[in-house]
Amino acid sequence: EPEVTQTPSHQVTQMGQEVILRCVPISNHLYFYWYRQILGQKVEFLVSFYNNEISEKSEIFDDQFSVERPDGSNFTLKIRSTKLEDSAMYFCASYMGYEQYFGPGTRLTVT
Amino acid sequence: SQQGEEDPQALSIQEGENATMNCSYKTSINNLQWYRQNSGRGLVHLILIRSNEREKHSGRLRVTLDTSKKSSSLLITASRAADTASYFCATVRTLGGSNYKLTFGKGTLLTVNP
Repeated sequence: EPEVTQTPSHQVTQMGQEVILRCVPISNHLYFYWYRQILGQKVEFLVSFYNNEISEKSEIFDDQFSVERPDGSNFTLKIRSTKLEDSAMYFCASYMGYEQYFGPGTRLTVT
Repeated sequence: SQQGEEDPQALSIQEGENATMNCSYKTSINNLQWYRQNSGRGLVHLILIRSNEREKHSGRLRVTLDTSKKSSSLLITASRAADTASYFCATVRTLGGSNYKLTFGKGTLLTVNP
């Protein structure tokens, strides 16, 4: 069964550093998403991406965040200057037609 | 904003018993979905119920939706230890065309004791 994959599974970075989280969505899907889950809290929507542009973003998704689909298979989330409060599990999801399929997540730890 | 809120926050039962989790939300929805998350893992879609449906079954899962009360319930029958996980409801808001976003509740942590 096709699945969404994410790398790395765990990323540790220092405050102020840039991180790039990578996702490979399911190949024929058209819509791509990032969600995050701070430990013990809700899964929160960050951004939706379709047709090579952002279709919606949440208030969390400020200028420090950006997304890209550089080569037609990868979908990346970049955080330019990480803060302690960016520590969370980041989930990528892709969708076409019925349900959003989630990847296993990347645990980002900012120290 | 739409918000799914589950209760109870935690539920502990014995294998073989039924588990019922509830979800309330605040605004109108296109549909409502339930997801499962094993500890430290990704979210797995369980079932979707549309706003014009009242009940839906899938294997040992039964979902109800009451749009007048803005609430949904997930029943897992004959629970197994492998059902131990967090369960989330997610309300759906259309972003345009086929695109939509999910708004998740805080989840119910279900523990099924062998």
